[in-house]
Amino acid sequence: NAGVTQTPKFQVLKTGQSMTLQCAQDMNHNSMYWYRQDPGMGLRLIYYSASEGTTDKGEVPNGYNVSRLNKREFSLRLESAAPSQTSVYFCASSSDRGPGEQFFGPGTRLTVL
Amino acid sequence: QKEVEQNSGPLSVPEGAIASLNCTYSDRGSQSFFWYRQYSGKSPELIMFIYSNGDKEDGRFTAQLNKASQYVSLLIRDSQPSDSATYLCAVSSSGYALNFGKGTSLLVTP
Repeated sequence: NAGVTQTPKFQVLKTGQSMTLQCAQDMNHNSMYWYRQDPGMGLRLIYYSASEGTTDKGEVPNGYNVSRLNKREFSLRLESAAPSQTSVYFCASSSDRGPGEQFFGPGTRLTVL
Repeated sequence: QKEVEQNSGPLSVPEGAIASLNCTYSDRGSQSFFWYRQYSGKSPELIMFIYSNGDKEDGRFTAQLNKASQYVSLLIRDSQPSDSATYLCAVSSSGYALNFGKGTSLLVTP
């Protein structure tokens, strides 16, 4: 099992460009999450999806959109990237048995110039 | 704002010693508590969770929870250099959203 996979691993954007971060899990988990991690700020939840067909805002949703494509895949879109969105982005998933027991992907390091 | 506070460290302990990592939280309604380990440049990995007051042991790790004091801790016995990492405390009040602390950096010196 690959667990949680993310693409791309690294990305450099110019201000105003758009991009989609992809995430997939093969653990048959219902719940998926997107976090950003910044130095000194810790991990912050952007959006989550408790089940296929549902999405909810987390702590820092502004400037992002998400799509729960199916049970396996959960994508994060930046419509017009800003330098403040420079960060490391992690996708995670969990089962209903323990929503807090999350499995993380390897992360995407995004730089917005 | 639901706060989860951790000392950023670094906490330095000699090999073989007990490392004690602490976390306080502000939301009295918090139900579930987690410790994640994150090596530099890597993703977080769940190492312990605790839902009830008291101690929970798993190998060299012990999680301790005191809801009255709004305090959760992680003890690492017989610390090894491979335990050197950042330890993230996470708290859930209900449902799916986890609130993370900023992490404590642990350095185990040979």
